[in-house]
Amino acid sequence: NAGVTQTPKFRVLKTGQSMTLLCAQDMNHEYMYWYRQDPGMGLRLIHYSVGEGTTAKGEVPDGYNVSRLKKQNFLLGLESAAPSQTSVYFCASSYGVIYEQYFGPGTRLTVT
Amino acid sequence: GENVEQHPSTLSVQEGDSAVIKCTYSDSASNYFPWYKQELGKRPQLIIDIRSNVGEKKDQRIAVTLNKTAKHFSLHITETQPEDSAVYFCAASRGSYIPTFGRGTSLIVHP
Repeated sequence: NAGVTQTPKFRVLKTGQSMTLLCAQDMNHEYMYWYRQDPGMGLRLIHYSVGEGTTAKGEVPDGYNVSRLKKQNFLLGLESAAPSQTSVYFCASSYGVIYEQYFGPGTRLTVT
Repeated sequence: GENVEQHPSTLSVQEGDSAVIKCTYSDSASNYFPWYKQELGKRPQLIIDIRSNVGEKKDQRIAVTLNKTAKHFSLHITETQPEDSAVYFCAASRGSYIPTFGRGTSLIVHP
């Protein structure tokens, strides 16, 4: 089992460019999450999904969009990247909200 | 919604000492409390969790205690080792509510 995987691992964007981060899990989990991690700010929830075809906003959703067309995949999109979106992005999945979250290895994004 | 506060933000100990990290939560209905460890440059990983029907749980050198009345739970690490150096996150959740994470504690264990 690969667990939770993320692509790409690193990316550098110019302001205004767009990109999509892909998260995939092979544990048949219903719940999937996207977090961003900035120094001293902990893990902040961007968007989450409670099942295929569903998405919901988290704590810091502005500037991001998500889609969950297949149960195993959760995509995070940046339509027009801004320097404030420079961060490390983690995807996670879980069986339910009162169960362990399994995190991906992270994507380090720099917006110049 | 749920609010989780974690203290301290930084904890420095000597190897062999004990370390305690405390989290308080606001929603009395929360019933699942995990702790994650994140080593430098790595992903967070669960190290121990506790549910509201249990007051304490141990796994070798780590333990978690839960005080439902006071709405706080703590991570205890005994006989700390340099490999315990990491950022530790607590979280709280219940029912269909997405978990809320604390801001994290950077634990530094000096050899």
